[in-house]
Amino acid sequence: SAVISQKPSRDICQRGTSLTIQCQVDSQVTMMFWYRQQPGQSLTLIATANQGSEATYESGFVIDKFPISRPNLTFSTLTVSNMSPEDSSIYLCSVEGESKSYGYTFGSGTRLTVV
Amino acid sequence: GDSVTQMEGPVTLSEEAFLTINCTYTATGYPSLFWYVQYPGEGLQLLLKATKADDKGSNKGFEATYRKETTSFHLEKGSVQVSDSAVYFCALSDRQGSGGSYIPTFGRGTSLIVHP
Repeated sequence: SAVISQKPSRDICQRGTSLTIQCQVDSQVTMMFWYRQQPGQSLTLIATANQGSEATYESGFVIDKFPISRPNLTFSTLTVSNMSPEDSSIYLCSVEGESKSYGYTFGSGTRLTVV
Repeated sequence: GDSVTQMEGPVTLSEEAFLTINCTYTATGYPSLFWYVQYPGEGLQLLLKATKADDKGSNKGFEATYRKETTSFHLEKGSVQVSDSAVYFCALSDRQGSGGSYIPTFGRGTSLIVHP
């Protein structure tokens, strides 16, 4: 299965600023996924990133707040813009397996605290 | 839509105790089922999976059986260790998103704390 390197692992940011999270995969993958995991909660899908096209956002998430780049088949970034304390969460990137039965591989996560 | 319901935690056990974490699901199709584990400060790792009814997934002493009649996928381990302390997520994969990918649906997670 793929290996994902995600960074930064954690950050403390001032409200109103932006943070860009990077994920590098050791193999070429078609789809990459970005999740948010709020304290004590499950994972919520933010968007799906396909190389060469605009990301597809889930209900409740918009491109202006969470712009995503996918310049090639091994790399993606998620930016959390104009941050507020409510954005304090763990953010995870993920890649899918070969089919729905294969399972998903996750990055180690970025723990964001907005003060 | 699809959903996954897990028992609420934390589950607190002594070392060598028997573990059960309940998971039930609703799905419109015929999903694959997964358990993921998240150790402190780390991302999620796939623990085990099952892709059809009556399949048993197993890994590191953990087991779960795909029960279609009860729409359940309970996680069990006969003798837990302190190192098993983590958050466990039940998930299903059935919803197809854009581009033909399958998007998993996760439960809320169950925290397991094992004391020496």
